[in-house]
Amino acid sequence: EVQLLESGGGLVQPGGSLRLSCEGSGFTFSNYAMGWVRQAPGKGLEWVSVFSGSGGRTYYADSVQGRFIISRDDSKNMLYLQLSSLKAEDTGVYYCAKDLDRGLGSYFFDLWGRGTLVTVSS
Amino acid sequence: DIQLTQSPSSVSASLGDRVTITCRASQGISTWLAWYQQKPGKAPRLLIYTASTLQGGVPSRFSGSKSGTDFTLTISSLQPEDVATYYCQQANRFPLTFGGGTKVEIK
Repeated sequence: EVQLLESGGGLVQPGGSLRLSCEGSGFTFSNYAMGWVRQAPGKGLEWVSVFSGSGGRTYYADSVQGRFIISRDDSKNMLYLQLSSLKAEDTGVYYCAKDLDRGLGSYFFDLWGRGTLVTVSS
Repeated sequence: DIQLTQSPSSVSASLGDRVTITCRASQGISTWLAWYQQKPGKAPRLLIYTASTLQGGVPSRFSGSKSGTDFTLTISSLQPEDVATYYCQQANRFPLTFGGGTKVEIK
């Protein structure tokens, strides 16, 4: 079955850190760009970061640049997001998402995980 | 950054009605636009990409079009399972951005 499964969310204090993981299965993980999209409670979707499928390029939203780091381990079909210097406004559900196209990618997302909730609160 | 402005923010329509949602980009994005459907408590689902290409498995009552920097998602005949929030997303350049969403309800 083609799927993505996120883990690693939880409650963390402001200024703290957290590492999210996403395991892909049912497709050739290394062929695709992969990304993270988040959604604050009751709010819309916000793109966070993407790791290209070839060339190893990474991109970040301004709101997380310098605080979050995206990485991937294609040998394990895993995508990661290291969250640091967390703020209350980082609270939300974090979705892992797969690019529609192989290779360079389109940066449209055709497969999403169920999400993992990150709560930043003291 | 490219801003995407969706309208209306919510729409209530009867079963079988035609529903139209608009997404206006703040600058030209060619056809680098997608539409997603999100039901409560669920992950988004890709409906349409490159402005008008229907994703596999999506019912044909969904369609997308483009006119300049205005993009439209149309549901030709509203069904109960279409109750959801719909988002547009541009992939023309980074940062990727989403519209604010349109909530579709049954009258």
